Order: sequence, then structure tokens, then C-alpha cells
Amino acid sequence: GQQVMQIPQYQHVQEGEDFTTYCNSSTTLSNIQWYKQRPGGHPVFLIQLVKSGEVKKQKRLTFQFGEAKKNSSLHITATQTTDVGTYFCAGLLNAGGTSYGKLTFGQGTILTVHP
Amino acid sequence: DTAVSQTPKYLVTQMGNDKSIKCEQNLGHDTMYWYKQDSKKFLKIMFSYNNKELIINETVPNRFSPKSPDKAHLNLHINSLELGDSAVYFCASSQDTSTDTQYFGPGTRLTVL
Repeated sequence: GQQVMQIPQYQHVQEGEDFTTYCNSSTTLSNIQWYKQRPGGHPVFLIQLVKSGEVKKQKRLTFQFGEAKKNSSLHITATQTTDVGTYFCAGLLNAGGTSYGKLTFGQGTILTVHP
Repeated sequence: DTAVSQTPKYLVTQMGNDKSIKCEQNLGHDTMYWYKQDSKKFLKIMFSYNNKELIINETVPNRFSPKSPDKAHLNLHINSLELGDSAVYFCASSQDTSTDTQYFGPGTRLTVL
């Protein structure tokens, strides 16, 4: 079945360092969404990317969607302790795929920020 | 004011018991989901309903049975609970079938002893 792979599984950084998590799909995606889950919390939607090569920014967060729409990344500049949590990508297959209409979540990257 | 609510928040029970988790959304969304999150944080979709109709039914033991009495509610009943069912179960909703943002409930932490 369709898989969305996300790396790294864990990332420990010092406050102020940058952080990047990568997402790769075995098939072309219709769109990709990113979610953040704080420790003990629930996933919260961050952003959706739809177009090939799309780049979106939210303050210190930069999201990219690959030209082939098979990969994506989330980059955080100058991490803060409030960035702690698990970051998930979730990909939606193109129409016509057997899993159309179902978001497939990556395994998540657990980010720890040391003050 | 809570958009997606689940009850109970915690559930501790013995193996072999039957239990239910309830979910309600007040966002007016058409689609609702159940996800299971294991101890490694992996989020796996279990079921999805659109306007009370089952549209996604992943490879889940038939001990798990979802029920949607109306489009604002999606409940999950689990029969004959097993140790491996211990996880956090999240309900979510979206305006339509997956193309839109998903709003997650606070989760139900199920512990099977």
C-alpha cells in the first residue's frame, strides 16, 4: 500500500539551532499536510501544500513541497522550547489511487529542544 | 466550545471486557475518523464515515465496530479487549473526505490490563 516515510524519528537540538524533518512518498501526492502534536496533546493542523514546488512560511517555519509532489520538508529556524513536540506529515494520494480520500500519516519526528 | 470532544479521556480495563468511546463534533463537518496512536506515536487510520456512511475501513480486527448515529457523532465499540489494544485513540473530523484540514479530539488513552 501507499507509504509515507518520515525522517528522522527523533531530533534533539539546543535552543536556537535549526531543525528539519523530511517526508517521502512512494507515490505522487495530491497534497500534503503537516500537523504538530505537543506532548500529551492531540495533532493540530499547521499547513497544507498543494502545488508542485510550493513553499509556504509561518514565522520561523518553512514548508516545502517537492517538484514531483513526492516529498516535503518542514524547517524550523532558531528553535525555541515551545517548538517541542511531534511533527507529522500526512499525504493524500492523487485521485484514481486505491486510497483516494485517505490521508496517510508519516511516522512523525519527535523534536526535543534543550534550553 | 470544544470542536471535537471525546469521552472518556482515560479508560483502564481488564482483558476480555467490552468498552465504548464516544466522539462528537460541533463543526458541522461531514466526515469523521478514528485513529489509533501506539506507544511509538505512529498514527494509523482505522475508520472514516462521511454523512453516516462508512467510507474507510482499514485492516482492523472485527472486534472494533464504529457506529455513527448522525454526522456529528462517531462512536467506537471494542469487544473482547486485548493487551495490544492499549493505545491512544483519536477521533477527528473534516469538512469533506480528507482533502480538508482534519480536526482532532483530545484523545482517549486506553489501557488494557
